[in-house]
Amino acid sequence: QLQLQESGPGLVRPSETLSLTCTVSGGSISSSSHYWGWIRQPPGKGLEWIGSIYYSGSTYYNPSLKSRVTISVDTSKYQFSLRLSSVTAADTAVYFCARTSVAGRLFDYWGQGILVTVSS
Amino acid sequence: QSALTQPPSASGSPGQSVTISCTGTRSDVGTYNYVSWYQQHPGKAPKLMIYEVSNRPSGVPDRFSGSKSGNTASLTVSGLQAEDEADYYCSSYAGSNNYVFGSGTKVTVL
Repeated sequence: QLQLQESGPGLVRPSETLSLTCTVSGGSISSSSHYWGWIRQPPGKGLEWIGSIYYSGSTYYNPSLKSRVTISVDTSKYQFSLRLSSVTAADTAVYFCARTSVAGRLFDYWGQGILVTVSS
Repeated sequence: QSALTQPPSASGSPGQSVTISCTGTRSDVGTYNYVSWYQQHPGKAPKLMIYEVSNRPSGVPDRFSGSKSGNTASLTVSGLQAEDEADYYCSSYAGSNNYVFGSGTKVTVL
């Protein structure tokens, strides 16, 4: 059974860079049929797609966040990572990593989520 | 890209049906049959309930069904059960490997 697990700091200072890693287990991260992505949810609010990465390194970002987001992949470690720069309180959210199916354009496996708070 | 529009809330008694709408634009819902629906219980990760407008993943009860007309997709939950009380989000492919989610609907079982 495929599993995804987010990890990283739960508190980030304003103007600094948020860094999270998602570790994939129980399946291949080098699948040609899937992308790996990040989605966030501010407290009490809806879901927002941040971006996705293919195992080859091709990346796709939400236009509203593109200038601050970098997603990378390390297939040898079965991990992909998110960096979000110049954070503000508005970036406080639960961050989920998820697998995207290329064929169905759906998010079929999700991590449990990690709360990241931006505060001084 | 703007969030897809969903009603904030919907409700029904056990055994009844509830339908949630998800309105997008010609750039997303109106063009692509890649609309999916997710159920989220408090403190949990979203769970895929419907994909490609009307397909159910294995294990999802057939009480859940989806449809689409023009720029609006819909999720219907028939025979409401207590465990169906949750937040529901739609999502649509928006081209160029971009995705957009709906604003979310809280379903209450009365």
